[in-house]
Amino acid sequence: KQEVTQIPAALSVPEGENLVLNCSFTDSAIYNLQWFRQDPGKGLTSLLLIQSSQREQTSGRLNASLDKSSGRSTLYIAASQPGDSATYLCAFDKGGGADGLTFGKGTHLIIQP
Amino acid sequence: NAGVTQTPKFRVLKTGQSMTLLCAQDMNHEYMYWYRQDPGMGLRLIHYSVGEGTTAKGEVPDGYNVSRLKKQNFLLGLESAAPSQTSVYFCASSYILDTEAFFGQGTRLTVV
Repeated sequence: KQEVTQIPAALSVPEGENLVLNCSFTDSAIYNLQWFRQDPGKGLTSLLLIQSSQREQTSGRLNASLDKSSGRSTLYIAASQPGDSATYLCAFDKGGGADGLTFGKGTHLIIQP
Repeated sequence: NAGVTQTPKFRVLKTGQSMTLLCAQDMNHEYMYWYRQDPGMGLRLIHYSVGEGTTAKGEVPDGYNVSRLKKQNFLLGLESAAPSQTSVYFCASSYILDTEAFFGQGTRLTVV
């Protein structure tokens, strides 16, 4: 069974720092990879989608990259703010819509004011 | 923009009771999914649908049934609730292949 590992499981940094969250998967036969944010007691908010033909995506202070050959994706957050505090989840699909998304367990991020 | 709406948001059931969770999306999405989220387990797929009138099993389908009679609605049923079904349930939808998934706010279900 495909596994998705997110490292670190938890991270606490002072405001203003740039940081990298890691996501690794055991099978390179993934199609799309998506990063989500989840606030306590809330649903998931899509941050970035890296489609099958792409290697990275950017939105504001966020940049996500995908290297299928090494089985890794990274989420880079620039100039972190207290409002970035949340759990960040990566998930992939195998294409076609079937089987949905396979999720990692997330990185719990705290940005200290 | 309602997006994906789940009803109810909270529910407490007694063991053996039944209930239906409703997911409604207003984005004309073809694909809809039900996941459960448990501490230490992450999100796991229960059932999914690739279009009106279709359903399929996911990773953890036992104890659940689903129906997609209308394109915009995806229902998740528990026929005889068990404490092991205590969880937070999320519905998601996506338009077609290669598009992002949108999630509802979740239903927190406790079975006592």
